[in-house]
Amino acid sequence: QSALTQPASVSGSPGQSITISCTGTSRDVGSYDLVSWYQHHPGKAPKLMIYETSQRPSGVSNRFSASKSGNTASLTISGLQAEDEADYYCCSYAGSNSYVFGTGTTVTVL
Amino acid sequence: QVTLKESGPALVKPTETLTLTCTFSGFSLNTRGMRVIWIRQPPGKALEWLARIDWDDDKFYSTSLKARLTISKDTSKNQVVLTMTNMDPVDTATYFCARIKIIGSWSVDAFDFWGQGTVVTVSS
Repeated sequence: QSALTQPASVSGSPGQSITISCTGTSRDVGSYDLVSWYQHHPGKAPKLMIYETSQRPSGVSNRFSASKSGNTASLTISGLQAEDEADYYCCSYAGSNSYVFGTGTTVTVL
Repeated sequence: QVTLKESGPALVKPTETLTLTCTFSGFSLNTRGMRVIWIRQPPGKALEWLARIDWDDDKFYSTSLKARLTISKDTSKNQVVLTMTNMDPVDTATYFCARIKIIGSWSVDAFDFWGQGTVVTVSS
């Protein structure tokens, strides 16, 4: 399986909204509502931000929202804050008990 | 409180076998629906899933690495072990273990708790 495609970097000013796309295929993102998103500060454990395409785990800020259209999933961060600066990865279930991750996006708060 | 921690050698030689241990607490792999996964991240590259083991001892592997991987569990020790044979410098990476989120006994195929990762370098 090829990695899901994400933009290498996205930036925004504090308070702005940014959106990270995650493009897969009809065999993964397009077939399952099992896209998840992770925030990763290097050297720390990745943190689950979204599961089942648009569900937020308890404790995750409602500034994070996500959706999917066709083979592309998207994560939106509203009201961008300095603490949101991190790497973000999407992941999709890809059938047959397999998973595929995205290429990763570095979010920079200007 | 759920925690996971990876352990293993920091340096292995090419052709050697890597053995990594994931020691966890706060949940039991005897619980119906529970699953643990291994994931790695080469320097500067994307995350890659490697293997998964389920509460019922079902095991699943990345297609590209299946021939080299073995995953097992020791529920009495709360550990999951991953072995990777014939290590190569391209296997240099940070290796993570993570728990798959379940709601009731239903997996939502997302990873809700991760270890901090262990760095493995393959070099002679």
